[in-house]
Amino acid sequence: AQSVSQHNHHVILSEAASLELGCNYSYGGTVNLFWYVQYPGQHLQLLLKYFSGDPLVKGIKGFEAEFIKSKFSFNLRKPSVQWSDTAEYFCAVNFGYSSASKIIFGSGTRLSIRP
Amino acid sequence: DSGVTQTPKHLITATGQRVTLRCSPRSGDLSVYWYQQSLDQGLQFLIQYYNGEERAKGNILERFSAQQFPDLHSELNLSSLELGDSALYFCASSVDAGGDNEQFFGPGTRLTVL
Repeated sequence: AQSVSQHNHHVILSEAASLELGCNYSYGGTVNLFWYVQYPGQHLQLLLKYFSGDPLVKGIKGFEAEFIKSKFSFNLRKPSVQWSDTAEYFCAVNFGYSSASKIIFGSGTRLSIRP
Repeated sequence: DSGVTQTPKHLITATGQRVTLRCSPRSGDLSVYWYQQSLDQGLQFLIQYYNGEERAKGNILERFSAQQFPDLHSELNLSSLELGDSALYFCASSVDAGGDNEQFFGPGTRLTVL
């Protein structure tokens, strides 16, 4: 069965620390990859996405992610976090195709930044 | 503000009851998705509609149903409610139906079943 795993449930960092959140999925075919963020009390919003091309994708607010096909991974990174990055981060993989969506979200990683 | 609106923001009801959640997609978006977010199940995709027709189904219970109207707004109907249905229900929309579309999420409806 198709699945998406985020192994870190809660990450606590100090400001200026580097961040890497893991995301792995089970599937060997073509997928579309997303990272969404949910700030406290707000709706989910897109951080970045990968469909094809350069496997290193840059998103908003200094985030980037690298797609490693051989490892079925799409890890999210940020070189220096800020207190405002405190949020829940969701990796999402869409196993769908051109006429339908089949998106599966990971369980989310709660990121807490100590000022 | 994503441009997706959901009503109501909060809903408190009793077991066995039926409720309807409403979603208006972003202007120009033809596809609407419904999700359930709970503490134990995480964010689960329920169902997708595209231009009025059901396009994809996820983990949606038989007690739940949805539809998309000609003006593209969508409603999610939850019936015979159980305590376990208490959750945050999100609606999202996208321009097209395919898996490569960015989805724009609404603020959610928090359902509490007592």
